[in-house]
Order: sequence, then structure tokens, then C-alpha cells
Amino acid sequence: EVQLVESGGGLVQPGRSLKLSCAASGFTFSNYYMAWVRQAPKKGLEWVATISTSGSRTYYPDSVKGRFTISRDNAKSSLYLQMNSLKSEDTATYYCARAGIRAYVMDAWGQGASVTVSS
Amino acid sequence: DIQMTQSPASLSASLGETVTIECRASEDIYSNLAWYQQKPGNSPQLLIYDANSLADGVPSRFSGSGSGTQYSLKINSLQSEDVASYFCQQYNNYPTFGAGTKLELK
Repeated sequence: EVQLVESGGGLVQPGRSLKLSCAASGFTFSNYYMAWVRQAPKKGLEWVATISTSGSRTYYPDSVKGRFTISRDNAKSSLYLQMNSLKSEDTATYYCARAGIRAYVMDAWGQGASVTVSS
Repeated sequence: DIQMTQSPASLSASLGETVTIECRASEDIYSNLAWYQQKPGNSPQLLIYDANSLADGVPSRFSGSGSGTQYSLKINSLQSEDVASYFCQQYNNYPTFGAGTKLELK
């Protein structure tokens, strides 16, 4: 069974940093692109980052480019999201997702990690 | 960015009814479109990809169609477990999502 378990969420002040982790199991992690997608409270979905199988290529929307960094450790079957210079508009549930069919089609999702940016 | 306009924003339907949700892209996305279902309190789940391909384990009452800039998700014979929000997503370019459609039972 595919499992994605996020951790590291919490309350953080504006301008500070936070790092999310995602532990993957039930599939060969190193074979898949991985992504982070967020959902602000009562809002829709927003793609945040994607990383290639080896980690050599990363992709971001303009809203987080230069502030967020996606990375992975294939030996540990783990995905990470380093979030710097956090803003109130980054408040959301962050989902770890596997891109199993196409590079940007998310076919498995974690339960989400809540991030609140507030003073 | 490619904008995805989804309609309706909310929908109320009866059990057994057929429901259709529409999604319009701001430019041609060449069928690079996925649909997701998000039940209350849960994470999203993939329903459809490549506009009309059913993801593994998804009931056959769900179907997708469309081309160019216009796409739709159809749910035949609505079941109580289909109460959820539905989101379209294009991946012809960096992914963007529609605002969602909240489906409730009448």
C-alpha cells in the first residue's frame, strides 16, 4: 500500500523558516517524481514544487520560487520542503504527493501537514 | 500561467442522477487535464488523467471528456459517497487547478 506521511508542520512567525518532511513507503520511491501541493483554509489547491527522480531537477511556481526548496533522499525514501521567508499567505495544509503517471499528475497523496504563519 | 475556470462552483443533485462539471482552460492544453476528488476532511484523490483515462480503482461511473480548452467530468448514477469537492488541473504547463466544485446531495 502506498503511504505518504508528512511531518514538521506548525505555527511559525512571518519571515521565519520551516522544513516539512514526507516519509514514503509501499513503492520504489526513487522511481517517481514527487511534489508538494498546498491548500489554504477553505480554498482550492495550489502546486508548490516538483522534483525529478534523482533530485537534479526542481520546479516551482513564481509564488514560492526563491523562498522554497524541494529536495529528496532516495536512500531514506523521504521528501522535504524547506520554506524560508514565510508569509501569512503561505498558511495552508501542505500535501506530499507522488507524480506516478505524468510528471505533474499526482496519483497518491499524504494526509497533509498544517502550516500557520502568524505573529 | 494557464487559468482554469471551473463551473459550477457548487452543485446539488439527487441519488441516481447524472452530474456534469465543466472546466475551461485559458489556452489549449492538449488534453493534459486531470480531475481530483476531495471528500470532506480528506486529501485529494486522482480520478481522471489525460482528460479521459480512469485512474486505478476509480468506479466506471466517473468519466472525463473534452479537448482544446473545454473539458468535463461526468458522474453517472450519483452515489452518496460521491459527495465531495472536485478539482480540475492542467499539466500542459506548470500545473494549475480550477477553483473546485462542491457537490452535495439534494
